[in-house]
Amino acid sequence: AQSVSQHNHHVILSEAASLELGCNYSYGGTVNLFWYVQYPGQHLQLLLKYFSGDPLVKGIKGFEAEFIKSKFSFNLRKPSVQWSDTAEYFCAFLNTGTASKLTFGTGTRLQVTL
Amino acid sequence: GAGVSQSPSNKVTEKGKDVELRCDPISGHTALYWYRQSLGQGLEFLIYFQGNSAPDKSGLPSDRFSAERTGGSVSTLTIQRTQQEDSAVYLCASSLGSTGNTEAFFGQGTRLTVV
Repeated sequence: AQSVSQHNHHVILSEAASLELGCNYSYGGTVNLFWYVQYPGQHLQLLLKYFSGDPLVKGIKGFEAEFIKSKFSFNLRKPSVQWSDTAEYFCAFLNTGTASKLTFGTGTRLQVTL
Repeated sequence: GAGVSQSPSNKVTEKGKDVELRCDPISGHTALYWYRQSLGQGLEFLIYFQGNSAPDKSGLPSDRFSAERTGGSVSTLTIQRTQQEDSAVYLCASSLGSTGNTEAFFGQGTRLTVV
């Protein structure tokens, strides 16, 4: 079965610290990859996505992610976090070879302290 | 509408009653998903509709759960004989589908509380 692993369940960082959240997926074929964010009290929204091309993808609010096919990974990074980045982050992927569903990881709760 | 619309936004029901949750996807989106988000849990996949294909029901937790999508648009998730463990936020999302832009857009969710 397709699956996504997010190894960090709860991360606490101070403002200005660097962030890297891990994401690994289970399928070896062509994939679409996503990071979604859910701010407190808000609905899920897209942070960034990878379909093809440059494996380094830049998203909103200074976030970026790198697709490494050989490692089945799509880690999320931000050089300097802000208090407003406190949220839950979800990695997701879709196998484009079949009409398959979008599969999410269990999420990582990020808490940024002042 | 411009986004995915879910109704009701909140629902409190008594244990044993049936509930229906509604999702209006973005116009033209052929793919529609239902997920469940419980406190402290991730996104639990429930069911996936893609065009006229048979839905992927592999995530439905029991036969008390069912969903339909009429006319390729509006979807209804039905939970029969609700139990307290059904309490969660039920999220709907839609996308253009697996052959196009697969980005999924989420609704605000329906918060279901079973008392």
